[in-house]
Amino acid sequence: EVQLLQSGGDLVQPGGSLRLSCAVSGFTFSSYAMSWVRQAPGKGLEWVTSISGSGGTTYYADSVKGRFTISRDNSKNTVFLQMNSLRAEDTAVYYCAKVESSSAWDGADYWGQGTQVTVSS
Amino acid sequence: QSVLTQPPSTSGTPGQRVTISCSGSNSNIGGNYVYWYQQLPGAAPKLLIYRNSQRPSGVPDRFSGSKSATSASLAISGLRSEDEADYYCAAWDDSLNDEVFGGGTKLTVL
Repeated sequence: EVQLLQSGGDLVQPGGSLRLSCAVSGFTFSSYAMSWVRQAPGKGLEWVTSISGSGGTTYYADSVKGRFTISRDNSKNTVFLQMNSLRAEDTAVYYCAKVESSSAWDGADYWGQGTQVTVSS
Repeated sequence: QSVLTQPPSTSGTPGQRVTISCSGSNSNIGGNYVYWYQQLPGAAPKLLIYRNSQRPSGVPDRFSGSKSATSASLAISGLRSEDEADYYCAAWDDSLNDEVFGGGTKLTVL
């Protein structure tokens, strides 16, 4: 059974940093790309970033480029999202998602439970 | 303003068939796979349709997807009360190098 277990959400001040983690099980982690998608309160889904199965290719939304970094540890079956210089508009539920192939440009077939990130003073 | 355009809302009565449209361009729907997700209130999104028209195991065959040129559609037949949810389309955009989502369609079962 595929499982994605997220952790790391919190309340953080503007300009602060936070690292989200997503530990996975039930599939060969290194064979699949992973993504992070967020959802602001009352809004729709917004793609944030994706990473290929090997970790060698990453893509970022313009809204987070230069501030967020996606990475993965294939030995620990975990994907991370390092978020720096956080802004109020980054407030959202963040979902970790398994991509249905090794290519970062395919869609997600499994999603984590979501974790709340609130940026406020 | 979302790159993919969906109607904000739609509705139907139990047993009815409804369709949700998703309009894009050559750089996204026109050249890449379309995915559809269902998000029940307070829950994480769930994959309904992948690669334009494929159904994951466990998704009822009441749900079907299609794609033509730069548009895609999700059809739900035999509408049930538990289908009341938000539905999102998504595709990779080659020009933006981004995954793009539709704004979401809220389905109400009357």
